Amino acid sequence: DIQMTQSPSSLSASVGDRVTITCRASQSISSYLNWYQQKPGKAPKLLIYAASSLQSGVPSRFSGSGSGTDFTLTISSLQPEDFATYYCQQSYSAYTFGQGTKLEIK
Amino acid sequence: EVQLVESGGGLVQPGGSLRLSCAASGFTFSSYWMSWVRQAPGKGLEWVANIKQDGSEKYYVDSVKGRFTISRDNAKNSLYLQMNSLRAEDTAVYYCARDGFVVVPAAPGAYYYYMDVWGKGTTVTVSS
Repeated sequence: DIQMTQSPSSLSASVGDRVTITCRASQSISSYLNWYQQKPGKAPKLLIYAASSLQSGVPSRFSGSGSGTDFTLTISSLQPEDFATYYCQQSYSAYTFGQGTKLEIK
Repeated sequence: EVQLVESGGGLVQPGGSLRLSCAASGFTFSSYWMSWVRQAPGKGLEWVANIKQDGSEKYYVDSVKGRFTISRDNAKNSLYLQMNSLRAEDTAVYYCARDGFVVVPAAPGAYYYYMDVWGKGTTVTVSS
């Protein structure tokens, strides 16, 4: 089974900051990597698919990069509505989520 | 409007059974793989199972193999999850999700899959 490890597990940042979240796969997954945002009490929302493709309707301040085993999600300038938990997910072999990164207001 | 609506959650005793349903609307249900994803209280997301468009292929996370069965009825635009031999650790919000896809460039027949439409979830509590 493919394991996904996110870092950090939590992060404090301020509005306007540039933030990067990292996801590492236990084996190469090419670009079969997606990113989701989840707010408390709500369903997850797809942000990025295929490692770097922005889902329709998602603000351009979100971007994804990487391939193989190492991936990043970057938020270029944090907005108040971006404080949430972020998950990576591989779709190379079945599906596996990372453990999540909680982004909090500093 | 593209929509998924789950139902069927509730309180069940350990060892009991429950059947979750997910009603799809606003898209051609029979054209998509579909998934179930769960989230235990205060925990992260866990993919549970998915099923191919025609129901001919099904995949499960190891922790539910032999206990849960995913199925679908394309005529009714509905997805199901039959859960047997339930345990306390199955307590979670269960989400239904559509597996969107795009073709992998320069790789005919290969697709990138991602969960692009989600329901609001239904809560399953396993407790005596």
